[in-house]
Amino acid sequence: TQLLEQSPQFLSIQEGENLTVYCNSSSVFSSLQWYRQEPGEGPVLLVTVVTGGEVKKLKRLTFQFGDARKDSSLHITAAQPGDTGLYLCAGATGANSKLTFGKGITLSVRP
Amino acid sequence: NAGVTQTPKFQVLKTGQSMTLQCAQDMNHEYMSWYRQDPGMGLRLIHYSVGAGITDQGEVPNGYNVSRSTTEDFPLRLLSAAPSQTSVYFCASSYVRRRDNSPLHFGNGTRLTVT
Repeated sequence: TQLLEQSPQFLSIQEGENLTVYCNSSSVFSSLQWYRQEPGEGPVLLVTVVTGGEVKKLKRLTFQFGDARKDSSLHITAAQPGDTGLYLCAGATGANSKLTFGKGITLSVRP
Repeated sequence: NAGVTQTPKFQVLKTGQSMTLQCAQDMNHEYMSWYRQDPGMGLRLIHYSVGAGITDQGEVPNGYNVSRSTTEDFPLRLLSAAPSQTSVYFCASSYVRRRDNSPLHFGNGTRLTVT
């Protein structure tokens, strides 16, 4: 079983602050995805990274895939209450889209 | 766009009862899967299917059965419910491509309580 460790598990910050959260593994993944989940809903894909060292930006969110394709980070600039939610990373191996999920990071952004 | 539809949204069962959680997708996705989500445990894969007539076990398959008779539907059956199966269940689908970076499309979940 390939494990994905996400840290920190919980994060509560004030609106306007910056933050970085992490997704780490001892396994190599061919791609890694980040999802955000809001209460009462299913996870929704934010981004997929596939190349070691790749950086992708989605408005105030910056995603990076590690050079060795074992880890990833998510940086949020000037967090807003709308960023509140559960952030999940998921690593993919094989050709059948089978994903291994981390346990998630619960982010709360206070107004 | 309907996407992935799960029914029911909520269900309460007594220990030993059986039921089927329904999942349907209208995106012509080959890959469908069932996850359970428990506090502190993240999303754990129960069963998955890469096409009609093909199913396989995930990380936590015990106590659950699945079948895939059509591309659109992927029901999850609990044969004899146990309190340990109290959870939120998510169905998810995606295309199966040569590159394994297809995003999963999730339903909104079924919240199951077994008493």
